[in-house]
Amino acid sequence: QKEVEQNSGPLSVPEGAIASLNCTYSDRGSQSFFWYRQYSGKSPELIMFIYSNGDKEDGRFTAQLNKASQYVSLLIRDSQPSDSATYLCAVNGEDTGRRALTFGSGTRLQVQP
Amino acid sequence: DAGVIQSPRHEVTEMGQEVTLRCKPISGHDYLFWYRQTMMRGLELLIYFNNNVPIDDSGMPEDRFSAKMPNASFSTLKIQPSEPRDSAVYFCASSHTGTSPLLNTGELFFGEGSRLTVL
Repeated sequence: QKEVEQNSGPLSVPEGAIASLNCTYSDRGSQSFFWYRQYSGKSPELIMFIYSNGDKEDGRFTAQLNKASQYVSLLIRDSQPSDSATYLCAVNGEDTGRRALTFGSGTRLQVQP
Repeated sequence: DAGVIQSPRHEVTEMGQEVTLRCKPISGHDYLFWYRQTMMRGLELLIYFNNNVPIDDSGMPEDRFSAKMPNASFSTLKIQPSEPRDSAVYFCASSHTGTSPLLNTGELFFGEGSRLTVL
């Protein structure tokens, strides 16, 4: 079983809609959770991180964490075509000694103008 | 402020040749990571260093791969001999230990990657 699971997509949403990206992880001991965005041919860049159960908002982005369900999500409000990218969920799993991040395979988001 | 710097950006080589990828982490960062990204396997951790010391190399696929960090500002990933299945984008990333007792993993800052093609 892969440590971090994401639906590969593509997830297609119209401009202005809310995009919901989901991620599940297998290691209950994970404490740090990150969302990275990766444009085609570019390197991953951090969007948000979350450590505590609940919601964390930053502009149009909201990260949600539920440790009991081992579930992390990212909501993007008022989606823009420039949000079209692959979104990578990452956790500090036990398999990396909790100092490195284990990444999911990513969900490709397409925002239609 | 300079980010993580990798070279070369692109490398095309023939099977059996030696490949050396280079990385300069962000100044002051005490962790350095090498990841490999392919369509099939996504982003995989190969090895990481803390204060120039290799901590976990369990992701290195086989003995053909080796990595060094002779000082805080430089690391190399070497493949010898290279094979077509090594074709991938290799990312170097660095991070700084969090100061909060609740944070044991800092944000990873990625370089632009080295795209390797082995023919």
